[in-house]
Amino acid sequence: DIQMTQSPSSLSASLGDRVTITCRASQGIGTYLAWYQQKPGEVPELLISAASTLQSGVPSRFSGSGSGTDFTLTISSLQPGDVATYYCQKYNSAPLTFGQGTKVEIK
Amino acid sequence: EVQLVESGGGVVQPGGSLRLSCAASGFTFSSYSMTWVRQAPGKGLEWVSYIIGSSSVIFYPDSVKGRFTISRDNDKKSLYLQMNSLRAEDTAVYYCARYWLPDGLASPPGGYWGQGTLVTVSS
Repeated sequence: DIQMTQSPSSLSASLGDRVTITCRASQGIGTYLAWYQQKPGEVPELLISAASTLQSGVPSRFSGSGSGTDFTLTISSLQPGDVATYYCQKYNSAPLTFGQGTKVEIK
Repeated sequence: EVQLVESGGGVVQPGGSLRLSCAASGFTFSSYSMTWVRQAPGKGLEWVSYIIGSSSVIFYPDSVKGRFTISRDNDKKSLYLQMNSLRAEDTAVYYCARYWLPDGLASPPGGYWGQGTLVTVSS
């Protein structure tokens, strides 16, 4: 099975900072990669599909890139509402594995 | 408006069984693949099962294969998860989630999520 590895597992950054989260697949998955945001106490929400397609309503400070095995979620300017745990998920085939999550906090 | 409402969670002893339900509304249920995802307390998301709109394709991860069974009733617009031989490590909030796009179109599994139902396996 393909493993999904996110890094870092947590980070603390200042408001306005550029934040980058990495997701690496153990084998190529094309661009079948989604990113989710889960705010504390809330249900996960789809942010990005197909590695780089921003869902409607998601602020433009979020962006995704990558293909094959290496993917990145970037927040261009960290805002208070971005405090959350972010997960990647592969969906090219089963198992539909999630990364272990990256917790983002404000410094 | 898409709505997914889970029910059926509760406390069950190790080795016991539980059946979760997910009532769907606001979309053509039979046209969408559905998944169950769980989240243990303080932990990350774990995909638990997948079923295509026609029920003809079903997948499970190894961690629940042979113990959990996903099913759906398109007439009742409902998704189910039968959980048998439950273990302490199955304790989690269980979410049902709808694919973003209808079957036949590639899309991520977690387009819409329910609020979840808590399953606690404890003696």
